[in-house]
Amino acid sequence: KAGVTQTPRYLIKTRGQQVTLSCSPISGHRSVSWYQQTPGQGLQFLFEYFSETQRNKGNFPGRFSGRQFSNSRSEMNVSTLELGDSALYLCASAEGPTNEKLFFGSGTQLSVL
Amino acid sequence: AQSVTQLDSQVPVFEEAPVELRCNYSSSVSVYLFWYVQYPNQGLQLLLKYLSGSTLVKGINGFEAEFNKSQTSFHLRKPSVHISDTAEYFCAVSVPGGGNKLTFGTGTQLKVEL
Repeated sequence: KAGVTQTPRYLIKTRGQQVTLSCSPISGHRSVSWYQQTPGQGLQFLFEYFSETQRNKGNFPGRFSGRQFSNSRSEMNVSTLELGDSALYLCASAEGPTNEKLFFGSGTQLSVL
Repeated sequence: AQSVTQLDSQVPVFEEAPVELRCNYSSSVSVYLFWYVQYPNQGLQLLLKYLSGSTLVKGINGFEAEFNKSQTSFHLRKPSVHISDTAEYFCAVSVPGGGNKLTFGTGTQLKVEL
C-alpha cells in the first residue's frame, strides 16, 4: 500500500495570504489528523476527521480549518497567514476510530514571509 | 487535560551503549501511551504502544518501554544502540475512546556517536 501522501512538500507564502494543504491517507483508512510542528511549540494537534466528520479540535484560532472528503482525502486551510504559522504540518491517518496506530506523512513545510 | 514531559531534550550516547529516554505524563483519567520516532525530513513512525496488559512493551528496532502507573512514567530503553538510531523520539498519550488525538511531549534528540 502507498503511504500517507502530503502535497505540496514545500510552500512559501506571504503574510495575509491563505493556503490549502492536502493529505491522501493510506487506502482504507478513514481517520485523518493534522498536527503542527515547530521548534518552539513542538507537535500540536490541530484537528481530526473520521468519515467526513470532525471529531476533535485543538486550540488553534478559527483561521485554521479543515475538511475530509468521501474518499477520506483531507485538506486543511489557513487563512490570513501570520509569520507564526511557519511550521511543518503533518498529516496522519489511521484505520479505526480510536487509539489506533497513526501513520504519518512527511509533511508540508510552510514558510510565511 | 493530559500533558507529557520528556525530561531530556538531547541524549548523546556511544554506539553499542544502552540508552534510556525518559517520559512522564499527567492525566486525571487513564491513558494509552506511545513512543514515536522521527528521522530527519520524515514524518513520525510508531515504535511501540501500551494499551493494557503487561507493563513491559516491546517494539520495533529492539526498543522496549515500561509503563509505571505509580510513577506515571513510560521510559523507553534499548540495550545497545546503533548509529542508525540517531533521531528524535516523541512520547505521546491518548485517552481511551477519545479518537486518535495524541498529546505529544517536546521530544528527545538521540545522538549516537562512534
